[in-house]
Amino acid sequence: DTAVSQTPKYLVTQMGNDKSIKCEQNLGHDTMYWYKQDSKKFLKIMFSYNNKELIINETVPNRFSPKSPDKAHLNLHINSLELGDSAVYFCASRHTGGTEAFFGQGTRLTVV
Amino acid sequence: ELKVEQNPLFLSMQEGKNYTIYCNYSTTSDRLYWYRQDPGKSLESLFVLLSNGAVKQEGRLMASLDTKARLSTLHITAAVHDLSATYFCAVEFGNEKLTFGTGTRLTIIP
Repeated sequence: DTAVSQTPKYLVTQMGNDKSIKCEQNLGHDTMYWYKQDSKKFLKIMFSYNNKELIINETVPNRFSPKSPDKAHLNLHINSLELGDSAVYFCASRHTGGTEAFFGQGTRLTVV
Repeated sequence: ELKVEQNPLFLSMQEGKNYTIYCNYSTTSDRLYWYRQDPGKSLESLFVLLSNGAVKQEGRLMASLDTKARLSTLHITAAVHDLSATYFCAVEFGNEKLTFGTGTRLTIIP
C-alpha cells in the first residue's frame, strides 16, 4: 500500500564506504526526486528524473550518482562516503505539471 | 538565483492564538505548495496553490498565494497543540524544480 517507499530507513556506515539507497513508487508518477535534509532541517534538491531521464542535477559532488531503471524506481548510489554526507535523504514523486510531490519516509544516513 | 524564504524560522505560540507564517520567493512562479513535517517523519502535503489569489482552507489552517507579490501565507487560527510541527512552503520553478523554503518550526504551548 505504501506509495513511495525507500530502503533502508536507517544506514550507519564508515567513511570511505560505498552505499546505495533505493526508492520505489506505485503511484504511476513520471517525475521522481532526491532531496537531502540536513541537521537544520533545510531541504535541498539533489536530482530529478522524468520518465527515466535526468532533468535536474544540482551542485552535488559526483560521488553521488542517481540511477532510474524505470519510471517507478530511482536509486541513489554514494561513493567514498564522507562525514558531511550524514543527513536524511528523501525520495519523492509526482505527476509532471503541477501537482504536489509525495515523499518517502526518508533514509537517515550516518557516516562514522 | 532561486530563493525561497520563510518567516519566522521558529515560532512559539500559545494555544488559542492566531498567527501567520510567510513564504517569499525570488522568481516568478504560480505554483506553490505547503507541507507539514513532524519530528522524525516524512513530509505531508497540506495545500496546493496553483494560481494568483488561490486560497485553501483545512481546519485551522488557511493558505493563500499572491503571485504578484511573490508571497504565500499560512494562517493558523486558534492554535491547538496538534499543530506543533515544522511547516515548509515549496515553490515550483521551471522544469519541475520544486524548491523548498527554510521551514518554520512551530511549537504550540498549552
